[in-house]
Order: sequence, then C-alpha cells, then structure tokens
Amino acid sequence: RKEVEQDPGPFNVPEGATVAFNCTYSNSASQSFFWYRQDCRKEPKLLMSVYSSGNEDGRFTAQLNRASQYISLLIRDSKLSDSATYLCVVNYGQNFVFGPGTRLSVLP
Amino acid sequence: NAGVTQTPKFQVLKTGQSMTLQCAQDMNHNSMYWYRQDPGMGLRLIYYSASEGTTDKGEVPNGYNVSRLNKREFSLRLESAAPSQTSVYFCAGGRDPGTDTQYFGPGTRLTVL
Repeated sequence: RKEVEQDPGPFNVPEGATVAFNCTYSNSASQSFFWYRQDCRKEPKLLMSVYSSGNEDGRFTAQLNRASQYISLLIRDSKLSDSATYLCVVNYGQNFVFGPGTRLSVLP
Repeated sequence: NAGVTQTPKFQVLKTGQSMTLQCAQDMNHNSMYWYRQDPGMGLRLIYYSASEGTTDKGEVPNGYNVSRLNKREFSLRLESAAPSQTSVYFCAGGRDPGTDTQYFGPGTRLTVL
C-alpha cells in the first residue's frame, strides 16, 4: 500500500465551481500535514499547512481526520489560476512523503 | 535572498558519465533534501540531511551519493548515470526536519541517453 494516496484526477471544473480533493496516509505516527501546489514544469510550493482543527485561507479549506488518516482540500469559487497539480504531503519521521498529486483544470 | 538555487537547470548525459547537481540555500535551513520526480510517480526522496554533517538515505538512494558541504550547500552526485535516472531533480530546504515547510529549488531536468 502506498504511504500517501490521492484522488487520481484529473478534475476538470468550470470557473466558480467548488472542488474537493482527498488524501489518505498510512503512517498513524505522522504529525505534520501539508498541501502543496505545483504548476506545470515548476517546483512545488506550499499552499497551506493542515492543522487538527482544520484551517481556512481565503477560498481554500483544509481538514484533517486523524482517526481515518484522511486529509482534504476544498477550493471554493475556482479561478482559472487555480489550475495546477495539488500534492498532499505527510511527514514520516525526519522526512516527508508526497502523494502522486491530483491535477485540476479550471475551464472558462 | 535567492532562496534555494540549483545548477544546472538542464543536463544531457550519456550512459556511464558522472555529474554533480549543486544546491544552495540562503534561508538558514537546517535540513535539506533531494527528490526526483517522474511522471505518475510523484516526488520521491533520494537523500536528506537533517542537519549539517549528517546525511541519510531516502526512498530511492541507489545510484546516488550526497555531500552536505556546509549548512548552505547539499550536492547530489551520479557516479555512473543510467537511463533510469532520467528525471527532474528537486532540492529543498526546511528549518526543522520532518515538521516544517519545505522550500524547493527550480529543479534540474536530466536526460541520460
């Protein structure tokens, strides 16, 4: 079983839509969780950290369910500029494990 | 501040050739990482350095060596390149190993013929 799994995608949504991504992880000892965004042929960049209580940053909301070992990312009112690949990241000891990513295309 | 820089940006090697990928950061990060990214595979950790003077293997270390030259620099060496090492290589840095945000360099696109 892969350590971090994500919805395979791709997700093609119209502008203004709400879209949700899911991620599951296998290491119950993991303590740090992140969503990164990667544009085509670019490096990954932090979108947001994910906290136990859930957190929101503008149109983006992240949730963590430790019991189910599940992380989610909700994007409201999608913009064309949200088109990218979204990477779920979980720590494993002193390093990190990245999910394979879910590609999002927001269409005009 | 330049953040995390990598050289070269692109490289083409023949099978059996060697090369070193350079990474430097000016963000005072304690930990540094080398990843490779292949289509459909996501980022996979090659080696990491939790602090200056230490290095540890990641998920896919075979065929690579690393050097944490000082706090700023972390290099990745391919001693005898193979076509299976064709990939995009990313270096990253972070304050605290395993807990803090990682900042990535722009990547090196390597092709081994």
